[in-house]
Amino acid sequence: DAGVIQSPRHEVTEMGQEVTLRCKPISGHNSLFWYRQTMMRGLELLIYFNNNVPIDDSGMPEDRFSAKMPNASFSTLKIQPSEPRDSAVYFCASSLTGASTEAFFGQGTRLTVV
Amino acid sequence: SQQGEEDPQALSIQEGENATMNCSYKTSINNLQWYRQNSGRGLVHLILIRSNEREKHSGRLRVTLDTSKKSSSLLITASRAADTASYFCATDRGGGSYIPTFGRGTSLIVHP
Repeated sequence: DAGVIQSPRHEVTEMGQEVTLRCKPISGHNSLFWYRQTMMRGLELLIYFNNNVPIDDSGMPEDRFSAKMPNASFSTLKIQPSEPRDSAVYFCASSLTGASTEAFFGQGTRLTVV
Repeated sequence: SQQGEEDPQALSIQEGENATMNCSYKTSINNLQWYRQNSGRGLVHLILIRSNEREKHSGRLRVTLDTSKKSSSLLITASRAADTASYFCATDRGGGSYIPTFGRGTSLIVHP
């Protein structure tokens, strides 16, 4: 398996534009996580899906952020409209649900909103 | 809110020395994990220790867990320049929740 695949790796956009980040989890994994990493706040959980269903979205900053998982092999995180404070590295991770399983991370998408 | 917090925030050592990083957390857990992040890359899992375990080894890594003190330590023995990275502990929220929640990490620099 190629691991968790995220696209794009880098995204530069203007304030007010819509941004869509994509993630392909590892085949067979049934848990998917979106995290955001900044120097100020560290690594924050945004949303957690289990079996394609959003279970915990308490970390989603505000209504400008939305996430979907239409099937087991694809998820998107959308920001509309984007703001400069959304600039960060966004990570997607997947795992098998359970007490003794590790999370596998993608390489991340570095988002810059100017 | 963050469950785990690493200490120190930064650590600078010479090659061959041991590096010790600590993690404290707030609530009961099912397990605790340590991850490594090289600059510009995603996190990579290093080791998992269950709440009923006290110590675990993997190569040059040694992890301890003290649930009474809600703390864990990661020891890297005989460090190498290639160990330079950020190290994070991740805890779940206990019960039936297995969502990894991360601290801010320890930045380790190993000088050759």
